[in-house]
Amino acid sequence: DAGVIQSPRHEVTEMGQEVTLRCKPISGHDYLFWYRQTMMRGLELLIYFNNNVPIDDSGMPEDRFSAKMPNASFSTLKIQPSEPRDSAVYFCASSPAFVTEAFFGQGTRLTVV
Amino acid sequence: KNEVEQSPQNLTAQEGEFITINCSYSVGISALHWLQQHPGGGIVSLFMLSSGKKKHGRLIATINIQEKHSSLHITASHPRDSAVYICAVIRIIQGAQKLVFGQGTRLTINP
Repeated sequence: DAGVIQSPRHEVTEMGQEVTLRCKPISGHDYLFWYRQTMMRGLELLIYFNNNVPIDDSGMPEDRFSAKMPNASFSTLKIQPSEPRDSAVYFCASSPAFVTEAFFGQGTRLTVV
Repeated sequence: KNEVEQSPQNLTAQEGEFITINCSYSVGISALHWLQQHPGGGIVSLFMLSSGKKKHGRLIATINIQEKHSSLHITASHPRDSAVYICAVIRIIQGAQKLVFGQGTRLTINP
């Protein structure tokens, strides 16, 4: 398996635009996680899915953020409208269970200008 | 005070030294996760612990649930171990599992 695949690797967008980040988890993993990392706040868990169902989205900063997992092999994180303070690296990870080692994608570096 | 505190925040050592990174937490947890983030930004999951000790190569992780403390040790450190090491605890809050992260320890191993 190629590991967790995220796209794009880098995204630069203007304030107010919609941004969609994509993630392909490792096949067979039941859990998918979206994280955000900033210098100020460090690493934060935004939302996680179990068997394609969102379990806990309490880490999603506000209604401008939404995440979906339409099937076991694909998830999206959408920001609409984007703001400069959303600039961060967004990581996707997958794992066979919650309490096991997770496998991280390479991250998407988002810059909102 | 953060729920998860790591120490030291920065650590510089010479190649070959034995390294210890500490993680203390103030809440009840179900498990603790150690992550490694390389200078290029990629994150690797090292260990998930709920009790005792785990070893993988030169890395050893221990946890003492009663003392609310975990340590990550690196034996015979090497420059390629230079990275940020992040501790995260898993809590159960209102039936949902939550992850709380420490601020990370930046480790630099000089040749």
